[in-house]
Parts: sequence; C-alpha cells; structure tokens
Amino acid sequence: AQSVTQLGSHVSVSEGALVLLRCNYSSSVPPYLFWYVQYPNQGLQLLLKYTSAATLVKGINGFEAEFKKSETSFHLTKPSAHMSDAAEYFCAVSDTGFQKLVFGTGTRLLVSP
Amino acid sequence: DAGVIQSPRHEVTEMGQEVTLRCKPISGHNSLFWYRQTMMRGLELLIYFNNNVPIDDSGMPEDRFSAKMPNASFSTLKIQPSEPRDSAVYFCASTSGRSDTEAFFGQGTRLTVV
Repeated sequence: AQSVTQLGSHVSVSEGALVLLRCNYSSSVPPYLFWYVQYPNQGLQLLLKYTSAATLVKGINGFEAEFKKSETSFHLTKPSAHMSDAAEYFCAVSDTGFQKLVFGTGTRLLVSP
Repeated sequence: DAGVIQSPRHEVTEMGQEVTLRCKPISGHNSLFWYRQTMMRGLELLIYFNNNVPIDDSGMPEDRFSAKMPNASFSTLKIQPSEPRDSAVYFCASTSGRSDTEAFFGQGTRLTVV
C-alpha cells in the first residue's frame, strides 16, 4: 500500500527565512503526489501536485516541490516565509485505480516576526 | 461552482443521539470521499464512492457509522448512536475520479458529542 511520511509535526521559521517541509513516500508504482494546506477552521486546499510531467513543481503562494525518485522524497519549499504561510501542511499520495488519497500526519508551520 | 458544500458547519449533540452530516460534491465530479480529522489520528479516510457506489468502506470505524450516496449530487454520513469519541471534524471531498487530479474539500463539519 502507498503511504507518505512527514518528518516533523511542527516547523518554526522566522519571517523571510527558507521554508522546508519534508515528505517521503512509499510506493511500488510511480505515484501521484500532492501538497495541501489547511488554514484554521477551513478545509484543505491544494498547493501543488506531481503527476510525472516535471520533477520540479511550482504551486500557489510561491511554494514548490521537487520529486526525487532516488530519495523517494517530495519536499515542499518556499524561499522566503511570510506570516500568512502559518498553517498546517499535508503531503498525500494517490492510490492506483480510483483516486484514493492517503495523507501524511501533517506539519504545522509556525512563522515568527 | 460553489465548491464542495457541507452542512451543518457545527453540530453539538448529546451522546446516544443520531447525527447526520451532509455533503454536496462539485457538479460533474464522480468520486466522493469522507474523511475524519482528529488531533490524535490526523486525517482518516472513512469511505469513498465512485459513481454513487461505495468502493471502500474499510475506514468506517464501527457499525454505528453509515454513509449513503443516493445520487451524484448528495451524500450523507450518519452516526447512530453517537459517542463522545466521535467528536472530530468531518470533511467531504470530491474529484473527477482520475488518479492525477486533486480532491476538492468542503469546509468541514465540526462535531461535538457531549
């Protein structure tokens, strides 16, 4: 079965610093990978997705992620954090057949002034 | 499109009562998912439907939970009888059904069972 592991339940950065949120996947077939963001009291919103077209994927709000097959990773980065980036971030992998998303446990990003 | 619509947004009920959560997926989407989110267990997939047919309900925690999708534009998740440990945020999501397309989530229903 496919799965994702997010390292670090909390990540703290200063405003303007690099954001790096880690995600490793486990899959026996080429996966589809997603990053979602959840703001307080809201549903999940797609940030970006990898569907094998390009290994470097750009998403909304300045975020990007790179698919590295050799490392089975799909880490999320943003060069310069903004206060509005404070939220919970989920990595997810799509199962084969019907799109059954399997989510990681989430990483809460805290941004300090 | 208004997106995935869930109702109610908040529900407080007493233990033992029946609770029904509702979801209207995005028009044209043929896959629908129910998730539960708690601090302890994170996001759990409870059940998903494709073309109104339940495909995988292995995540449904107990027989007290049931879900239906009578047509392409409506789904319900019912808990009967409810228990305090059912307190969580329940999300509905829909997709076009292809593995490379994203799921669109509703705002969630925050359920509190007292």
